[in-house]
Amino acid sequence: DVVMTQSPLSLPVTLGQPASISCRSSQSLVYSDGNTYLNWFQQRPGQSPRRLIYKVSNRDPGVPDRFSGSGSGTDFTLKISRVEAEDVGVYYCMQGTRWPRTFGQGTKVEIK
Amino acid sequence: EVQLVESGGGLVQPGGSLTLSCAASGFTFSSYSYNWVRQAPGKGLEWVSYISSSSSPIYYADSVKGRFTISRDNAKSSLFLQMNSLRDEDTAVYYCARDPPGAVIGVSFDYWGQGTLVTVSS
Repeated sequence: DVVMTQSPLSLPVTLGQPASISCRSSQSLVYSDGNTYLNWFQQRPGQSPRRLIYKVSNRDPGVPDRFSGSGSGTDFTLKISRVEAEDVGVYYCMQGTRWPRTFGQGTKVEIK
Repeated sequence: EVQLVESGGGLVQPGGSLTLSCAASGFTFSSYSYNWVRQAPGKGLEWVSYISSSSSPIYYADSVKGRFTISRDNAKSSLFLQMNSLRDEDTAVYYCARDPPGAVIGVSFDYWGQGTLVTVSS
């Protein structure tokens, strides 16, 4: 199975400051069609997960442009340019390139 | 509006069975593939099972293979998860999540339901 490793696991941030979450996979996530199926999800307290980013860097409809995804191969990053109070929650990366689909452990973002 | 609504969760004894349902609305159910994803209390997300739009292929996580069965009823716009031989470690909130139309390997989990809690305990 592809192991997804996130860091840090806890991220205290000051409102208005940037935040960055790293996600590394144990194998390349480049599929034979040339695409890289790496997603990012946000789970606010008490809510279901919501997809923010698909195929490394594509924002889902309605996702604020302060969220951005980047990376390639086995190394990926989710950045929040200026953290707002509504961004508090747990963020997960997930790979869809190989079965079984696997998630990272999650990174808890909280306000300092 | 796309909606996925899970139901069927509850308290069940170890070794028991339970069937979860996910009712879809707001889109053409038959065109999409679906997944079950679970989250144990205070833990992260774990993918459980996948069913394609044509019901083949179907995949399971090793942790549930041989005990869980995923199925769908396009006429009723519903997804199911039959869970047998339940164990304490199956205790979790179970979410259904949709995959956009397309290949088996591709973009995934664009919409999620609100989840249903399954508690396995004596």
